[in-house]
Amino acid sequence: ILNVEQSPQSLHVQEGDSTNFTCSFPSSNFYALHWYRWETAKSPEALFVMTLNGDEKKKGRISATLNTKEGYSYLYIKGSQPEDSATYLCASYSGAGSYQLTFGKGTKLSVIP
Amino acid sequence: GAGVSQTPSNKVTEKGKYVELRCDPISGHTALYWYRQSLGQGPEFLIYFQGTGAADDSGLPNDRFFAVRPEGSVSTLKIQRTERGDSAVYLCASSPLAGVYNEQFFGPGTRLTVL
Repeated sequence: ILNVEQSPQSLHVQEGDSTNFTCSFPSSNFYALHWYRWETAKSPEALFVMTLNGDEKKKGRISATLNTKEGYSYLYIKGSQPEDSATYLCASYSGAGSYQLTFGKGTKLSVIP
Repeated sequence: GAGVSQTPSNKVTEKGKYVELRCDPISGHTALYWYRQSLGQGPEFLIYFQGTGAADDSGLPNDRFFAVRPEGSVSTLKIQRTERGDSAVYLCASSPLAGVYNEQFFGPGTRLTVL
């Protein structure tokens, strides 16, 4: 069973602060890592799909890095805004011919105006 | 265009009853996934379809759970003899094809409460 861990579980930051959180996953048999953002009362929305060691991806003020050799990914948010408040989920694949994603428990971010 | 839709948005039922949860994927998406999120947990894989067939149903917790996708578009998740432990948010997602590199497009979920 694939084990995907996220930390911290929750985070409160002031508007304008930059923040980051971590996703760790097994480095063996790595295929891809997904990041999703889930705002309350909305659908989870894909942020990034990352595949290569050293990958860095950016979408507006949000960016992510990937280290497949040591099994972790960081998500960064620069200049947090109240609309960034959401639960951020990462997920990885176990491979072996299956396309089932294994999710972490998420990091719940609250941005205080 | 329209995203993934799920109905109902909320379902309250009594222990022992049968429920059906419906998912309408994005038109043209051949892959469809079901997940369940219990309180304090991340979404947990249940089953995925490639077209009409269930390609991997290893996440279904027991034989009370069953899912179909008879025409390769709409899918129904069926739960028999519901138990209080089945209470969760049931999420559906779709993607153009099943694949590790393809992002999944999620619906808003159905919140199931079993009393």
